[in-house]
Amino acid sequence: AQTVTQSQPEMSVQEAETVTLSCTYDTSESDYYLFWYKQPPSRQMILVIRQEAYKQQNATENRFSVNFQKAAKSFSLKISDSQLGDAAMYFCAYRSASSYGKLTFGQGTILTVHP
Amino acid sequence: GAVVSQHPSRVICKSGTSVKIECRSLDFQATTMFWYRQFPKKSLMLMATSNEGSKATYEQGVEKDKFLINHASLTLSTLTVTSAHPEDSSFYICSASRGAGVVNEQFFGPGTRLTVL
Repeated sequence: AQTVTQSQPEMSVQEAETVTLSCTYDTSESDYYLFWYKQPPSRQMILVIRQEAYKQQNATENRFSVNFQKAAKSFSLKISDSQLGDAAMYFCAYRSASSYGKLTFGQGTILTVHP
Repeated sequence: GAVVSQHPSRVICKSGTSVKIECRSLDFQATTMFWYRQFPKKSLMLMATSNEGSKATYEQGVEKDKFLINHASLTLSTLTVTSAHPEDSSFYICSASRGAGVVNEQFFGPGTRLTVL
């Protein structure tokens, strides 16, 4: 079974600074997808960024980028120019390419942004 | 596009009663819907997966008779918590997948907070 581990229960960052959230996963599969989701206080899950395992290039979405290390099974999220609105709980998630969409989530990291 | 709604957003019920939560995909047909449970400041725990017109697949440890899931159409899935008890109090989130595209992305509803007195 696949597992996803987020070893940082809480992180904090100053507004306009950069922060990196860590995620590692364990799988025996070669084809899969990785995601970062944001859950603000409203509890609405929002997709931040996704990475296809077969792609070597790291995904980027505006201020959000990932460092995908397939051999190390690591998938960290970098948030640049942090904004107050980035404060939320962030979840790393894994999905097998062969599954019907089932996601395995990490434990989550609470990100606080200080003005 | 790709909006998922849940109703109600909050519900309070007495112990022993049943509660139904609806999950609707508003602008797409969802081939698969998922139901999650989340405790405060904790991760999402998958309870079950439902496909339209077939029985739901429950995760290990989830009581099928307690958490009844019906996926009656391609836009509606319901979760009924039967004979609710205070320990069932939680935040329930549904998600829906179009089943299209390589990634087959899930779209999440806003969640339902259930409080059992």
